[in-house]
Amino acid sequence: GQSLEQPSEVTAVEGAIVQINCTYQTSGFYGLSWYQQHDGGAPTFLSYNGLDGLEETGRFSSFLSRSDSYGYLLLQELQMKDSASYFCAVRALIKAAGNKLTFGGGTRVLVKP
Amino acid sequence: NAGVTQTPKFQVLKTGQSMTLQCAQDMNHNSMYWYRQDPGMGLRLIYYSASEGTTDKGEVPNGYNVSRLNKREFSLRLESAAPSQTSVYFCASSSQGSGANVLTFGAGSRLTVL
Repeated sequence: GQSLEQPSEVTAVEGAIVQINCTYQTSGFYGLSWYQQHDGGAPTFLSYNGLDGLEETGRFSSFLSRSDSYGYLLLQELQMKDSASYFCAVRALIKAAGNKLTFGGGTRVLVKP
Repeated sequence: NAGVTQTPKFQVLKTGQSMTLQCAQDMNHNSMYWYRQDPGMGLRLIYYSASEGTTDKGEVPNGYNVSRLNKREFSLRLESAAPSQTSVYFCASSSQGSGANVLTFGAGSRLTVL
């Protein structure tokens, strides 16, 4: 099975940089995904790391290290609108597990002025 | 382009009542999913359908049934609602292959069971 651990909450000020770590235990997976969810809203896809290394999408970057069973999402130049919950997720490599994604518990990011 | 549409958005049930949550997607995706999210928690998979005609259990299937009516529609049924099923339910869809890592979610259905 899959198990993903994230910090429950992070607080930072506008303009700062926040790193959200995701450690996982899984028997094998295709890659690590990240989703953002504002309060009362639906999760939306942010990024995907299929290979080890850094993926950059504007102010957000995501990193994966399979050897360390670890990944992170980096939020730069924080803005008030970045206040949200962020979830990491993995898709099992085992064919019998189908296409399903397993999500971590989420990290609530609070951006202060 | 509506994406993933869920109905109803809100519902209040009494213990023991039944109801069906409807979900439809217009992105020609093969795979569809039902997740539940409890306050302050992550998303837990209830059931999923990798392709039309197939359904499989996720982490928390007890008390639920699903129907993949066609490629577009995937419904979730509560046969006898219990207070423990009070939650926000999200339907999602994805393509296959590498696209399976990108889920598109509906707006959610907020269910309260009294």
